Amino acid sequence: DAGITQSPRHKVTETGTPVTLRCHQTENHRYMYWYRQDPGHGLRLIHYSYGVKDTDKGEVSDGYSVSRSKTEDFLLTLESATSSQTSVYFCAISVNRGDTGELFFGEGSRLTVL
Amino acid sequence: TQLLEQSPQFLSIQEGENLTVYCNSSSVFSSLQWYRQEPGEGPVLLVTVVTGGEVKKLKRLTFQFGDARKDSSLHITAAQPGDTGLYLCAGAGSGGGADGLTFGKGTHLIIQP
Repeated sequence: DAGITQSPRHKVTETGTPVTLRCHQTENHRYMYWYRQDPGHGLRLIHYSYGVKDTDKGEVSDGYSVSRSKTEDFLLTLESATSSQTSVYFCAISVNRGDTGELFFGEGSRLTVL
Repeated sequence: TQLLEQSPQFLSIQEGENLTVYCNSSSVFSSLQWYRQEPGEGPVLLVTVVTGGEVKKLKRLTFQFGDARKDSSLHITAAQPGDTGLYLCAGAGSGGGADGLTFGKGTHLIIQP
């Protein structure tokens, strides 16, 4: 158990509204990631962080922003949600200092944008 | 952009049969991992292979990393209903995965009693 908590676990919102998903870890790991999982696309990287205030874009970063003001929290924000952002979002941490990139995942946040 | 192609996408077999899942790429990976995911949960790491030609065994599961570190396979012997799930391969690039992993689209495996 890598001590990862995602919130909320489920959310339904309307197009154009802002949404923030939170990922909280209890073990002080440096690397944190946000992925989305969609049928036919698998898991795709949105953004990642390599330390407090240090973040970078992933493969599908358009329409998303992130923040990491504390080691334990990594926030994913959809400034103006669209239906194409309906997905299951997974937060993950790397516990191997990036040598092999082994990931431990949270339980996911299912977001529906109407 | 590194891509990982997994095959088959779906597999339904009877309990006791053997099966192999493949993960192929034209890119070289510094390591490759296999995850298993159950409905409503996040993926869980099964194994990591690092060296070309490496073979690792986890009970009835055998994982192999290709000699050129571009492909991998997962072989399950005498499959059981408890093996049912989504199997994902993921590769780490030259940065060792610090900038994230590339995932295959997954293999949905159903083992029928």
